[in-house]
Amino acid sequence: GAVVSQHPSRVICKSGTSVKIECRSLDFQATTMFWYRQFPKQSLMLMATSNEGSKATYEQGVEKDKFLINHASLTLSTLTVTSAHPEDSSFYICSARDGASGGYQETQYFGPGTRLLVL
Amino acid sequence: AQSVTQLDSQVPVFEEAPVELRCNYSSSVSVYLFWYVQYPNQGLQLLLKYLSGSTLVKGINGFEAEFNKSQTSFHLRKPSVHISDTAEYFCAVSVAGYSTLTFGKGTMLLVSP
Repeated sequence: GAVVSQHPSRVICKSGTSVKIECRSLDFQATTMFWYRQFPKQSLMLMATSNEGSKATYEQGVEKDKFLINHASLTLSTLTVTSAHPEDSSFYICSARDGASGGYQETQYFGPGTRLLVL
Repeated sequence: AQSVTQLDSQVPVFEEAPVELRCNYSSSVSVYLFWYVQYPNQGLQLLLKYLSGSTLVKGINGFEAEFNKSQTSFHLRKPSVHISDTAEYFCAVSVAGYSTLTFGKGTMLLVSP
């Protein structure tokens, strides 16, 4: 159980275009989803927290108009990188928190990541 | 705010040898502790977690960790490693009641024959 998928796994796009990344919880309802960015050989940096049906909460320094997050259902969150530039190239990872009660409530389950390359 | 320190950026070890990956945290409130593993170009997989109860936690792939509140540590151990354990390991902490994770910088475990 507790499987999170991401699509696409890799994307290459031209500078100035927008890219949408999907994050799905496959076998549980995720009231909260998280988006991270990871640079090569570095740790994960939290970008934003999204709760189903409400606006995402962005971390300091993350441009909310550039990284649009939508969490329209309990199993789907999307991250759209608008007007992407080469410096946006990175590994983007989502995670989902199981909304069930009990200790599992505190556990985040991660997707496999999306490698974005902006040319 | 809480923080996580993984002192070792890289740990080389021979196959079948024991290994310990160190993790220390700081927080003024109760925390939950996690270890995740990341294989190349993949997301993070939960190895084990400490939420409450027994301080010795057993996880997948033969890993275990011990929560030591007085030393604010949560070191990860495995008695005998395999080549396939080569990966990046992240220690993470969250404040009880809040689900945001704070990650350490990661430790690369390199297992050689």
